[in-house]
Amino acid sequence: DVKVTQSSRYLVKRTGEKVFLECVQDMDHENMFWYRQDPGLGLRLIYFSYDVKMKEKGDIPEGYSVSREKKERFSLILESASTNQTSMYLCASSSYRGPSYNEQFFGPGTRLTVL
Amino acid sequence: AQTVTQSQPEMSVQEAETVTLSCTYDTSESDYYLFWYKQPPSRQMILVIRQEAYKQQNATENRFSVNFQKAAKSFSLKISDSQLGDAAMYFCAYRSNNQGGKLIFGQGTELSVKP
Repeated sequence: DVKVTQSSRYLVKRTGEKVFLECVQDMDHENMFWYRQDPGLGLRLIYFSYDVKMKEKGDIPEGYSVSREKKERFSLILESASTNQTSMYLCASSSYRGPSYNEQFFGPGTRLTVL
Repeated sequence: AQTVTQSQPEMSVQEAETVTLSCTYDTSESDYYLFWYKQPPSRQMILVIRQEAYKQQNATENRFSVNFQKAAKSFSLKISDSQLGDAAMYFCAYRSNNQGGKLIFGQGTELSVKP
């Protein structure tokens, strides 16, 4: 089974702090994604990556950056957390290969609260 | 740009009955994929069903089926013989065939199942 794990289920940070959200997948997937989920807005894509050291902006990249130094790990960074970044963050991965071609597999989510 | 709209924020169904969740989308593309994802309370998002736009036949997965109307840009999900475990947030999603696996999500429909 594909497994996507995220470093924390719940996180509380203060305004201005630098925040790291980590995501790891164990199925050798090429693609990895970071979304934020807000009530009434669904999931919105922040950043995605097609390969190691590759990154592409999604629909709402402002205030975020990402890092993908290894194929299995994709990190989301909030350089200076703000209260409007309080949200649920979901990581996902997918592959171009195999029977689950381009199906996205999701992690459990990190609920981030910025005070 | 493509958009996905779910106009029903909440739906309710009696156990063993049938319910239909609505989804419409907007695109100028002819080749794409559509998905329904399920997010149970405090659990990971999982894929329920997918539909390739080039296929005229509606996809079916056990009790889940879709009504795909390409010309009308409509993609509804029908759940038959509803079970308590079907209670969840359901998201409709669109994926272009030429944008590397990015998903565009609707706002979500929260389904409750009454015993």
